[in-house]
Amino acid sequence: QVQLVESGGGVVQPGRSLRLSCTASGFIFSNYGMHWVRQAPGKGLEWVAVIWYDGSDTHYADSVKGRFTISRDNSKNTLFLLMNSLRAEDTGVYYCASSDGYTSGWNIHWGQGTLVTVSS
Amino acid sequence: DIQMTQSPSTLAASVGDRVTITCRASQSISNWFAWYQQKPGKAPKLLIYKASSLESGVPSRFSGSGSGTEFTLTISSLQPDDFATYYCQQYQSIPLTFGGGTKVEIK
Repeated sequence: QVQLVESGGGVVQPGRSLRLSCTASGFIFSNYGMHWVRQAPGKGLEWVAVIWYDGSDTHYADSVKGRFTISRDNSKNTLFLLMNSLRAEDTGVYYCASSDGYTSGWNIHWGQGTLVTVSS
Repeated sequence: DIQMTQSPSTLAASVGDRVTITCRASQSISNWFAWYQQKPGKAPKLLIYKASSLESGVPSRFSGSGSGTEFTLTISSLQPDDFATYYCQQYQSIPLTFGGGTKVEIK
């Protein structure tokens, strides 16, 4: 069955960096676009970034543009999110999610999430 | 960016009730639209895609309708497992955007 497992979350000071990982199994990872979606405590869902199936294109929410970088290693079935210059408002659970196809689209499968807390 | 407005934000209902949740897009998105269910402490789960297509394994009491700017999620007979928060999403254009959520509570 499809599994997406996030890791790398934790407590980090404002201005510091963190890299999240998402390891995929149970489907052909290299055939699907992948997303990061986050959820602040007690709040709704916020789309963060998407990467095309082959890594050839990426897009970001304005709130993270220039600070976050999405990437993937198809040889290791792994998605990454490098988060720089972290702010308190970046605190939340970060989910990776697969697209329905090669690029963007609806989110078929989701990981369990990893919690990022930005605090001094 | 396309804004998604869900209503109501909270809904109290009883088991067996018919429940309807509405989502409005700030501009036409054709049928590039999905619904998700989220339970506390869990990841969202896809229910409906392309506005009205039921995801595999989702009970048939869930249905979606609409196109353009107005969309509806209907639960024909609410079950105990359906008490959760529901989110709409447009994926017609980037940035993808979600509605604010509708929490379905026990009456």
